[in-house]
Order: sequence, then structure tokens, then C-alpha cells
Amino acid sequence: DIVMTQSPDSLAVSLGERATINCKSSQNVLHSSTNENHLAWYQQKSGQPPKLLIYHASTRESGVPDRFSGSGSGTDFTLTISTLQTEDVAVYYCQQYYNIPRTFGQGTKLEIK
Amino acid sequence: QVQVVQSGAEVKKPGASVKVSCRSSGYTFVDYHIHWVRQAPGEGLEWMGHIYPKNGDTDYAQKFQGRVTMTRDTSITTVYMELSSLRSDDTAVYYCLRETWYYRDWGQGTLVTVSS
Repeated sequence: DIVMTQSPDSLAVSLGERATINCKSSQNVLHSSTNENHLAWYQQKSGQPPKLLIYHASTRESGVPDRFSGSGSGTDFTLTISTLQTEDVAVYYCQQYYNIPRTFGQGTKLEIK
Repeated sequence: QVQVVQSGAEVKKPGASVKVSCRSSGYTFVDYHIHWVRQAPGEGLEWMGHIYPKNGDTDYAQKFQGRVTMTRDTSITTVYMELSSLRSDDTAVYYCLRETWYYRDWGQGTLVTVSS
């Protein structure tokens, strides 16, 4: 199984500042057939199902604000929120869809400082 | 638009089984895998398995092998997830999701509480 490890586990950032969450996979998730990294990022607010933010490591889902961006390739990935807003308080998960079983990172809790 | 709607909350005793339904609409039901993911209270996301509605093929996480069964009824575009021999640590919100490689479309979640 591919193990997904996020860092940090929790993060407190001031409003308007940058937030950075890292995700490391135990195996390469760059898929040769698609030439895409099979890595997604989700945002989960309290009491709600997760919401897709980023797929293929860096493609923003339709309707997601452009302050959210994803980067990285192979085994190391980053989710960046450029200017933190109050509505960004949530838990963020990375997930690989390179193979079965699908696996998620443990989550990063983002709060306002 | 795509909709994924799950059945309501359940309370079960240890040792019992639970069957959660997941009805999809807004797309060609048989063409996309449906996955199940669960989330225990205060915990992260755990993948349980998936089913391909076109032919009923399934693949389950090793942890749930022998306890989980996923089925489908194409006539009503519904997938079912049955978990047996329930334990207290099966208390969780269970989500079904339509897969398009990644998970864009999530059900609202079904809380299953296992308590004596």
C-alpha cells in the first residue's frame, strides 16, 4: 500500500498570510499512461463531506478560489493557500489514486492564529 | 448535475450487520466505479473498497475482507455496502463516492453507531 504522510498535523496561520501543507507518498504516483501525478487534495469542514480542491497534483477544481494551488511531482507535494481567509478553516487531506487501495494522508488541521 | 444520496443514520448492536444504500443520478450509472470511505469520530478517511456497477466487480481493502459486501441494483442506480460482525470501532460516518480517478462527487454520509 502507498503510505501518504502529511506535515504538519496542525497549522495556525494569521488571516491574509500563506499556509503551506506538505504531503509525501511512499511511492511515486506519477502515472506513465497519463503523465499526470495521481494526487488529489480535499478540504473538509466540520460536519461536511470532504470537498475536492485539487487533482492531478496541480489542477484546481472548478469553482475553487485561485488562492488554492497545488504543486509537486513524484513523491513530494504541497498545497498552498496564498492568503488565508476565515472560511479556509478546515482539515485538509491528500490522497493518491495511483493504485488500489486508495490511501489518504492523516489530515492537517488548519486554524486561524 | 451529479447527485449521490445515501440512506439515513443507523444504530446497531455489536455483532449485527448494517446495509447502507447509495443512489446516484445525473450520469451514466454503470460507467463509473463507486467507492466507499469511512471516517470514525475525530479521525481521518479510510478507504473500504469499490464496485464497478457495469459488471458488479468489487475490490475490498484487506482490513474489511470477509466482513464487507458491496452490491448494486442497476435498475434503480443504487449501490449497497453491507458490513457485518459490527464492533464498537465500526462507529463512523460512511461515505459513498463516484470515482473519476479522484473523488469529485460525495454522498452526504451515513452515520453508523454501534452500541450495546
